[in-house]
Amino acid sequence: NAGVTQTPKFRVLKTGQSMTLLCAQDMNHEYMYWYRQDPGMGLRLIHYSVGEGTTAKGEVPDGYNVSRLKKQNFLLGLESAAPSQTSVYFCATLPEGNTEAFFGQGTRLTVV
Amino acid sequence: QKEVEQDPGPLSVPEGAIVSLNCTYSNSAFQYFMWYRQYSRKGPELLMYTYSSGNKEDGRFTAQVDKSSKYISLFIRDSQPSDSATYLCAMSAGFSGGYNKLIFGAGTRLAVHP
Repeated sequence: NAGVTQTPKFRVLKTGQSMTLLCAQDMNHEYMYWYRQDPGMGLRLIHYSVGEGTTAKGEVPDGYNVSRLKKQNFLLGLESAAPSQTSVYFCATLPEGNTEAFFGQGTRLTVV
Repeated sequence: QKEVEQDPGPLSVPEGAIVSLNCTYSNSAFQYFMWYRQYSRKGPELLMYTYSSGNKEDGRFTAQVDKSSKYISLFIRDSQPSDSATYLCAMSAGFSGGYNKLIFGAGTRLAVHP
């Protein structure tokens, strides 16, 4: 039982490159979230999904896209990376009717 | 003004000390209050959860919520070096439109030295 797994754990991108972050969960949770964590800013919601095939914008969605084609996977895409997207990205899942969020280990992304 | 304010610290205490961590908030709709612990280079994990006002105790940890003052606290008794981590408060008004919006504080970094 792996819980929430994020891939990759580290990545360095050049400005303008694209990449996809993968979040996979084996807990059958309905809700999935992508956050970014920056010093002094806490966790800020980028996009979220309330179920397979659904996505919605969070607090800081610009420059990111997401997809949830399968219930267990939530993908975060950066089409054209910018230095301002240097951050630690966390995926979280939430079972329906519950407030305890389960987080992945994070992806450290540096855009140079 | 941020919805949730939390002093980032860092807070350094000797082993065995009582630690007090706090958050204030502005949204009176918040009903669920949580404390997450995050070790270095790891994801946050839920430490304490409280619904509405009151106290909740779990071992060395006590969470308090004062909704009238919009103030929540986490107390750690007999602190240990293994408690060294960043503590994030989080709050929610519950599910609305199928979405549970969790608002996090910036996190307080705690160091407990032997």
